[in-house]
Amino acid sequence: QKEVEQNSGPLSVPEGAIASLNCTYSDRGSQSFFWYRQYSGKSPELIMFIYSNGDKEDGRFTAQLNKASQYVSLLIRDSQPSDSATYLCAVRVTGGGNKLTFGTGTQLKVEL
Amino acid sequence: DGGITQSPKYLFRKEGQNVTLSCEQNLNHDAMYWYRQDPGQGLRLIYYSQIVNDFQKGDIAEGYSVSREKKESFPLTVTSAQKNPTAFYLCASSLASGANVLTFGAGSRLTVL
Repeated sequence: QKEVEQNSGPLSVPEGAIASLNCTYSDRGSQSFFWYRQYSGKSPELIMFIYSNGDKEDGRFTAQLNKASQYVSLLIRDSQPSDSATYLCAVRVTGGGNKLTFGTGTQLKVEL
Repeated sequence: DGGITQSPKYLFRKEGQNVTLSCEQNLNHDAMYWYRQDPGQGLRLIYYSQIVNDFQKGDIAEGYSVSREKKESFPLTVTSAQKNPTAFYLCASSLASGANVLTFGAGSRLTVL
């Protein structure tokens, strides 16, 4: 079982819709959860991070964490064509130093 | 402006040659990391360093070497022992405490001819 799993997609949504990206993780000792966006050929850039169960909102983005079920999700409201990218989920495990373990990413396509 | 500078952006290497990728940061971050990304894949950790003069192997360290002689610098050498070195290499840094958010450089794309 992979440590961090994501559906590779592509996930296609129409412009203005809500995009829902999901990530599951295997280590119950995971403490910190991060969502990065990566455009083709570019480096990842942080969208947001979450530590506690529940929702965390930042503009059009909402991260949701459920530690009991070991999943974290990212909702993008009012999706725009500029949101088309690969979204990487990353997890930090307590006792693992500061290193992050990344999922393989979900490709999102926002269609006009 | 604070950030992470990776060089070169593109690098071509013949089989059997060692190459060194540069990574410099002026963010005053304690920790630095090297990740490798293959097409359609996530990031895999090669090496990381949480303090000067100390570093640890990541998940795929074989065929790579690093040094951390200065806080600002964390160069990665891809040796001839690395069997499949063609990839996109990403350097990142973070504070040692707090949110530990990783900031990435622009990446170096290595192609073995």
